[in-house]
Amino acid sequence: AQRVTQPEKLLSVFKGAPVELKCNYSYSGSPELFWYVQYSRQRLQLLLRHISRESIKGFTADLNKGETSFHLKKPFAQEEDSAMYYCALDRGSTLGRLYFGRGTQLTVWP
Amino acid sequence: DAGVTQSPTHLIKTRGQQVTLRCSPKSGHDTVSWYQQALGQGPQFIFQYYEEEERQRGNFPDRFSGHQFPNYSSELNVNALLLGDSALYLCASRYSGGSSYNEQFFGPGTRLTVL
Repeated sequence: AQRVTQPEKLLSVFKGAPVELKCNYSYSGSPELFWYVQYSRQRLQLLLRHISRESIKGFTADLNKGETSFHLKKPFAQEEDSAMYYCALDRGSTLGRLYFGRGTQLTVWP
Repeated sequence: DAGVTQSPTHLIKTRGQQVTLRCSPKSGHDTVSWYQQALGQGPQFIFQYYEEEERQRGNFPDRFSGHQFPNYSSELNVNALLLGDSALYLCASRYSGGSSYNEQFFGPGTRLTVL
């Protein structure tokens, strides 16, 4: 079975500080991993996916298959980064069925 | 393109009633998925429709059913509502074609409250 765990429900940092949102997964196959973000009063949207290896809004995430982790990082947090972040997994063989973690609410203080 | 749209925005029902939620996918998308998001939880997959058929189903009882129309829009029906069905219901659409991964786009959700 597959499972996505986000251990932190809440995370607070000050502006300019580094931030890391943790995500661990369990799946025996080769999953695709994603980070979704939901800003206040907006809909859920894709932030980045591991296979694209992009940096979006200064965020990066590296898939560590040995540790089954996909942590989201940003070296210098900004106030506009405050949002709900969800880690999600797609087993890769399905038509886009996503398994989500419970989410981490990030607050960046001025 | 307005993206994925859902109606209604909010809904209040009582236990035992039935409810129908509606979703219009983003232009060009042919696959629709429904998710349930309880308070404080991440979205949970209910089912997915493609070519007017249910293609995948999550761990939800038969009280949850759906439909996809020829124009790709979709409905989610829930019968015999329980208090535990109170949640935000999200619709997501994507295009099934092409050789690369196609992003899912989410709607704003329908907030269902069961009293």
